[in-house]
Amino acid sequence: GAVVSQHPSWVICKSGTSVKIECRSLDFQATTMFWYRQFPKQSLMLMATSNEGSKATYEQGVEKDKFLINHASLTLSTLTVTSAHPEDSSFYICSASTGGSYEQYFGPGTRLTVT
Amino acid sequence: AQSVTQLDSHVSVSEGTPVLLRCNYSSSYSPSLFWYVQHPNKGLQLLLKYTSAATLVKGINGFEAEFKKSETSFHLTKPSAHMSDAAEYFCVVSVAGGYNKLIFGAGTRLAVHP
Repeated sequence: GAVVSQHPSWVICKSGTSVKIECRSLDFQATTMFWYRQFPKQSLMLMATSNEGSKATYEQGVEKDKFLINHASLTLSTLTVTSAHPEDSSFYICSASTGGSYEQYFGPGTRLTVT
Repeated sequence: AQSVTQLDSHVSVSEGTPVLLRCNYSSSYSPSLFWYVQHPNKGLQLLLKYTSAATLVKGINGFEAEFKKSETSFHLTKPSAHMSDAAEYFCVVSVAGGYNKLIFGAGTRLAVHP
């Protein structure tokens, strides 16, 4: 149980284009979903917290107009990187929580490369 | 504010010898603490968690950690390392209130030599 998937697992896009990453909770309803960014050989940095049906809460320094987050249902959240640039290349990881638990269940991550 | 400090960025052990990965936390209340493992280019896997129950927590793959409030520590140990344990390990604290945000330590890379 408590499986989270991400799609795609890796994506290459050209500079200036947008790319959407999906995060799904497969066997539970995720009240809250989180998006993290991980640079090579570094720790995870929380980008934003999203709750189903409401606007995401972004961490300080994260551009909400660049990283669009939608949490339209209890099993799906999407992260759209708009007008991507090479510096947006990174490993993006989502996690999901049932809200009442401290535990977050992590997806396998999506590697984004912007050329 | 909550924070975690992983005292070693790299740890190298021989197969079959004990593993010790050190973590200190800072929290103004009784925290929830976790250890996650990440293998190369993979997502995170929960090894174990402490949520104010028993102070000695046993996890998967033979790992365990002890919560020591007096030392504000939550060190991860394993009696005998396997080659498959080579990975990045993260000590994590949960932020009180709100949506249970997690604060990650910088990570410790564990290398296991034959």
